[in-house]
Amino acid sequence: NAGVMQNPRHLVRRRGQEARLRCSPMKGHSHVYWYRQLPEEGLKFMVYLQKENIIDESGMPKERFSAEFPKEGPSILRIQQVVRGDSAAYFCASTGQQETQYFGPGTRLLVL
Amino acid sequence: GQQVMQIPQYQHVQEGEDFTTYCNSSTTLSNIQWYKQRPGGHPVFLIQLVKSGEVKKQKRLTFQFGEAKKNSSLHITATQTTDVGTYFCAEPLMDSSYKLIFGSGTRLLVRP
Repeated sequence: NAGVMQNPRHLVRRRGQEARLRCSPMKGHSHVYWYRQLPEEGLKFMVYLQKENIIDESGMPKERFSAEFPKEGPSILRIQQVVRGDSAAYFCASTGQQETQYFGPGTRLLVL
Repeated sequence: GQQVMQIPQYQHVQEGEDFTTYCNSSTTLSNIQWYKQRPGGHPVFLIQLVKSGEVKKQKRLTFQFGEAKKNSSLHITATQTTDVGTYFCAEPLMDSSYKLIFGSGTRLLVRP
């Protein structure tokens, strides 16, 4: 049973470029969460999605950030016109019927 | 708003010594979860506590949920170098069954 998969594991972008982060939840899971983690800090909730629905995006910046979880394919976190402050580790987690969240390996984004 | 305080921020111990991290919430919780994140890794679910005064053990790890369900602790007996990492507690946001609030984590370093 494959775990949560994220790609790419590392992403380097120059300021102003776009970053696309992908997350495939654990098999059988239909709930996806995205978190951001700055170095030496905890996890900050960004968005919660179910298939084709954004349930809660209260933790996501109003501009430049968007997320989707289409009927087919992975969930995507998109950051437009990246700035240096976007450099962080972005983790995706998925759940099934229970509350336990299973995390993917994360995408480390570095903005030059 | 709802907050979770986790202390200490860092703990540096000699291999074989014990270690404890504490979480305190501003609200009465339905449950609390604990995660471990190795350096450069992703959070891995350890356990969920639900009942008032609950104590659960996993080998050298002992997890406790306070009687008032507002605090929790993780105790590691006789630390080993494999215990190195950051330990996070996470609590569900009130009126939300899915959103977790993570503590800032306790980073454990073990001297061999």
